[in-house]
Amino acid sequence: AQKITQTQPGMFVQEKEAVTLDCTYDTSDQSYGLFWYKQPSSGEMIFLIYQGSYDEQNATEGRYSLNFQKARKSANLVISASQLGDSAMYFCAMRDVNTGFQKLVFGTGTRLLVSP
Amino acid sequence: SAVISQKPSRDICQRGTSLTIQCQVDSQVTMMFWYRQQPGQSLTLIATANQGSEATYESGFVIDKFPISRPNLTFSTLTVSNLSPEDSSIYLCSVEGRDSYNEQFFGPGTRLTVL
Repeated sequence: AQKITQTQPGMFVQEKEAVTLDCTYDTSDQSYGLFWYKQPSSGEMIFLIYQGSYDEQNATEGRYSLNFQKARKSANLVISASQLGDSAMYFCAMRDVNTGFQKLVFGTGTRLLVSP
Repeated sequence: SAVISQKPSRDICQRGTSLTIQCQVDSQVTMMFWYRQQPGQSLTLIATANQGSEATYESGFVIDKFPISRPNLTFSTLTVSNLSPEDSSIYLCSVEGRDSYNEQFFGPGTRLTVL
């Protein structure tokens, strides 16, 4: 069974600094996808970035990048130049691309607080 | 990206009643997913809804408690039946990206409180 582990319940960062949110995963599948989502206090889930298991380059989307280390089964999210609006819960999730149903398995999340 | 709306955005219900949540997508999608997020917890998949077939439920979720309808390719409903305080959660619907499998989007969620 797939499992996502986020070991940081909370992280603090000062505005304009970079921060790394950790995510490790466990799967026996060769083909999978990794997602990161942001959930502000309003409750919506905002899709940030995706990394496929066969992607050779780390994914980037604006200030978000994914540090993908396949051998270590880690997919850490790096947020550069943090902004106050980045304060939120962040969830890492995995999807098995082999199954017919595109189910996402989520980690427990990391609460990020950006201070001025 | 897909635009997903949910109704209601929040509700407060009495124990023993039911709540039906609607999910509308701005484009046709094959599969729609319903997730639950209990207070302070992560998201858990309730079921996957394919148009024209019965929904597929995850372990721990049953059709009698969470009946789902999927009448067409842009709409689905989730009913939470016989409500108890333990059902107080955020319920979110989700779809894949319009153009590729490497995106998955969520609706704004329905925040349910059961008294």
